[in-house]
Amino acid sequence: KAGVTQTPRYLIKTRGQQVTLSCSPISGHRSVSWYQQTPGQGLQFLFEYFSETQRNKGNFPGRFSGRQFSNSRSEMNVSTLELGDSALYLCASSPSGSVGTGEKLFFGSGTQLSVL
Amino acid sequence: GNSVTQMEGPVTLSEEAFLTINCTYTATGYPSLFWYVQYPGEGLQLLLKATKADDKGSNKGFEATYRKETTSFHLEKGSVQVSDSAVYFCLSLYDKVIFGPGTSLSVIP
Repeated sequence: KAGVTQTPRYLIKTRGQQVTLSCSPISGHRSVSWYQQTPGQGLQFLFEYFSETQRNKGNFPGRFSGRQFSNSRSEMNVSTLELGDSALYLCASSPSGSVGTGEKLFFGSGTQLSVL
Repeated sequence: GNSVTQMEGPVTLSEEAFLTINCTYTATGYPSLFWYVQYPGEGLQLLLKATKADDKGSNKGFEATYRKETTSFHLEKGSVQVSDSAVYFCLSLYDKVIFGPGTSLSVIP
């Protein structure tokens, strides 16, 4: 089985722009969750989607949004980029449950976003 | 609110040394606890997990026991190898996903 695929691998944007990141989960997995990783704040949970519905949300401003398609692929969008949004964005998929069920998460390699 | 605390890094050990990385959690209920590892340039991988009190997770020589009385899930390995050099994250899953800050481990020959 192919793993979790995130595209693009690297992205450079300027302040004020918007960006869309993509995540393709492992085939058959229905849950996709997103995380932001920075040296200062560590790993923080952004949100989780299951069957095209947002099921859980972390403490991020409304500039961060996402969606999930019927094939379980997910996109994350950040509008009006700020310098502090520079980070590695990771997505993870799991077969069926919410992240809160303790089901194993399968992570992608991430998208490294740099905001100049 | 819920939180996860890990020992500060970086940790540098010689090959074959004993490893302990402390992890304590706070939660309103009884979370599932995990250790994930991130090797350089890669995404996170599940190392081990425990879903209830007194459970012991183990994998690749690493072990951690879910201690409800001390709200801890410390990671241990009896003899580390250079290939264990990575960042280790403790994770608490209940109604929220809470990662610890990560502990960087460097093992030198």
